[in-house]
This record gives sequence, C-alpha cells and structure tokens, in this order.
Amino acid sequence: DIQMTQSPSTLSASVGDRVTITCRASQSISTWLAWYQQTSGKAPKLLIYKASNLQSGVPSRFSGSGSGTEFTLTITSLQPDDFATYYCQQYNSYSGTFGQGTKLEIK
Amino acid sequence: EVQLLESGGNLVRPGGSLRLSCAASGFTFTRYAMSWVRQAPGMGPEWVASISTDDGGRYYAGSVKGRFTISRDNSNNTLYLHMSSLRAEDTAIYYCAKDSEPNYDFWSRPPGAFDVWGQGIMVTVSS
Repeated sequence: DIQMTQSPSTLSASVGDRVTITCRASQSISTWLAWYQQTSGKAPKLLIYKASNLQSGVPSRFSGSGSGTEFTLTITSLQPDDFATYYCQQYNSYSGTFGQGTKLEIK
Repeated sequence: EVQLLESGGNLVRPGGSLRLSCAASGFTFTRYAMSWVRQAPGMGPEWVASISTDDGGRYYAGSVKGRFTISRDNSNNTLYLHMSSLRAEDTAIYYCAKDSEPNYDFWSRPPGAFDVWGQGIMVTVSS
C-alpha cells in the first residue's frame, strides 16, 4: 500500500501569513495528487488536482507543487475562511489514498 | 446545479446489511466514474469503492472487499453501495463523490480529485 504522510499535523498561523503543508508518498505517484480543504461538518472541497492545478473557483492564494514522492500545498495571505483541515490524496494506485490531515489553527 | 444527494443511512446491528443511494443531478452522470468515501468520527477520509462509467470496472478498499458492492443505474443517475456483514468499524459518514475528469481510462489509474461530493450520510453499526 502507498502511505501518505502529511506534516505538520497541526499548524498555528495568523491572518495574512503564508503557510506550507507537506505531503510525502511512500513510493512515487508521479503527479497524481489532490489537495482538499474540510471544515467541520462539511464534505471535503477540492482545491488542487494533479499536484499543481488549481480547481475552478478556488482562490489563487492556494497553490500546489511537487512530483514523485514529495508535494506541498502553499497558502499565501491566510484568510479567516482558510482555517480548516487539509488532506492530500493520491490517485496513482488503489492501495490507500488520503493523508492523515493537517489542522490549520488560528494563532 | 451539480448535486449529489445520499440517502439510506441508519443505525444497524453488527452483521446486518444496508444499502446507500446517491442521486446525481446537474451533470452527465454517464461520463464520470463515481466513488464512495467514508469518514469515521474524528478521522480523515477513507476511500471505499469506485465504479467506472459503464459499470465495467469496480474497485474496493481491502477493508470492505467481499462485504460491500458498488453499483450504478445510469438510466436513473443513481449510485449505490450495498453493505453487508457490517462491523462497528464501518461506522462513519459515507459520501458519494464524482471524479473530476470525464471518460478517463478507468484501468489506467483510480478515480481521484473528486470535485463534487454529497452532503454525507451517517451509518452507525452498534448493538
């Protein structure tokens, strides 16, 4: 199974900050990686697909990069709505998919 | 408006069965692979099962293989998940989800980058 490991598990930041979340795959997944945002009680929302492509309607302060086994999600100029939990998802193979999540908290 | 609406969730005893439905609207259902994803309380999402556009291909997570069956009715734009031999660890919110890419080669990679999700339906397995 491919394991997806996110870091950090929790991140404290302030409005206006720039933050980066990392997702590492236990083996190469090319660029078959997506990022989601989830707020309490709601379904995950797709932010980034194929590692670096911004989903339609998602603000440009969100960006993704990486390939192979290491990926990052960057949020520039944090807004109040951005404090949520973020998950990466690999879709290179059926063996395991989502990371364990990164909770972005207000400092 | 693109929408997915799940139904069928309930409280069920261990060993019991349940069928979830997901009604799709606002997009051409037959062009997209569909999936079920679940999320146990306080945990991250877990992919459960996926089905190709024409029901020619189905994949399951190891934790549900042999107990759950995914299917679809393209004439009624509905996705299903039949669950049997339910266990306490199947307790979760179940979401149906749509793949973002139409008509892709289901055998080349799993569905992923789910751009539309349902609101989720709770399944509780408890005696």
